[in-house]
Amino acid sequence: QVQLVQSGAEVKKPGASVKVSCKASGYSFTEYAIHWVRQAPGRGLEWMGWINGANGQTKESQNLQGRVSFTTDTSAATAYMHFYGLTIEDTAVYYCVKDRSPVVGVDSLDFWGQGTLVTVSS
Amino acid sequence: DIQMTQSPSTLSASVGDTVTIACRASQTIFTWLAWYQQRPGKAPKLLIYQASTLEGGVPSRFSGSGSETEFTLTISALQPDDFATYYCQQYNNYPYTFGQGTRVEI
Repeated sequence: QVQLVQSGAEVKKPGASVKVSCKASGYSFTEYAIHWVRQAPGRGLEWMGWINGANGQTKESQNLQGRVSFTTDTSAATAYMHFYGLTIEDTAVYYCVKDRSPVVGVDSLDFWGQGTLVTVSS
Repeated sequence: DIQMTQSPSTLSASVGDTVTIACRASQTIFTWLAWYQQRPGKAPKLLIYQASTLEGGVPSRFSGSGSETEFTLTISALQPDDFATYYCQQYNNYPYTFGQGTRVEI
């Protein structure tokens, strides 16, 4: 069965960077994009972008002002989210999510990781 | 960005009730819409995609309809497991955007 297992919770100071990993299993990692979605405490969902598992192509939300990037290690079937210049407002649970279609950008998000809480505090 | 507005924000219901949640897009998204269920402390779960297609394994008491800018999620014969928060999401344009959520409570 499809599983996305994320790395553990992080506590960072304002201005720091964080790297969250997402290990995929149960499907062909290179055939589907991985999206990243975050959720601030008690708030709604915010889409951050995606990375194509096959060729490393990425699409980031412009709302994040260039502070996020995505990479993959295809040999380990693992995707990574890198977030820079953290502020208090970036405190959230970060989810990796599999695209439902092999063609990215035309479908919904079907399998979600368990989430990684990133706390930004001085 | 396309704004997604859900109503109501909170909905009180009982087991066995039929409830409807509305989702409005600020511009047409055709049928590029999904619905998710999120239980407290858990990741969201895909229920419906393409506005009305049920994801595999999702009970048939969930149904979706709509197109262009107006969409609805209907849950028939509410079960105890259905008390959760529901989100709509458009994937017609970047950035993908979600509604603010509708909490279905007892």
